[in-house]
Amino acid sequence: RKEVEQDPGPFNVPEGATVAFNCTYSNSASQSFFWYRQDCRKEPKLLMSVYSSGNEDGRFTAQLNRASQYISLLIRDSKLSDSATYLCVVANNYGQNFVFGPGTRLSVLP
Amino acid sequence: EPEVTQTPSHQVTQMGQEVILRCVPISNHLYFYWYRQILGQKVEFLVSFYNNEISEKSEIFDDQFSVERPDGSNFTLKIRSTKLEDSAMYFCASSSGTGYYEQYFGPGTRLTVT
Repeated sequence: RKEVEQDPGPFNVPEGATVAFNCTYSNSASQSFFWYRQDCRKEPKLLMSVYSSGNEDGRFTAQLNRASQYISLLIRDSKLSDSATYLCVVANNYGQNFVFGPGTRLSVLP
Repeated sequence: EPEVTQTPSHQVTQMGQEVILRCVPISNHLYFYWYRQILGQKVEFLVSFYNNEISEKSEIFDDQFSVERPDGSNFTLKIRSTKLEDSAMYFCASSSGTGYYEQYFGPGTRLTVT
């Protein structure tokens, strides 16, 4: 089983739509969780850390379910500028290496 | 806003040559990392560095690779004898070592081995 798996995508949605990304991880000892976004041929940029209680940042909401080893990202009222690949990232211990999922590509269409 | 910088942005080299990729992490950060991304594939961890030594490395990071922090600001990745399969984007990242240890990535160096 792969360490971090994500919806294969791509997701093509109209502006204003709500879109949800799912991610599962295999290591139950994982300590920290993140969503990054990556534009074509650019570096990963931190979107948000995922806290145990779930957290929201504007139009973005992240949830963590440790029992199911599942992480989600919800984007509301999607904008053209949200078009990117969304990367689920898991760290097995603080300060250690990140394990990246393969990413899910999102295209927001006018 | 402080950011990680990397040089060069693109490096072309011949197979068997040595390359050094350079990074300047965010100034008050304590943890430093190298990752690579082969075109069309996922980001893969290479090595982490803390307190002037390697703290963790992946299977990819074999004897051909080395890292160094030669001064208080630079962090380098050396590939001694490049192979065709080393062609990839190499990202440097740094973390402050507080909170959730979020990592911030540089813009990357695209390495092309011919």
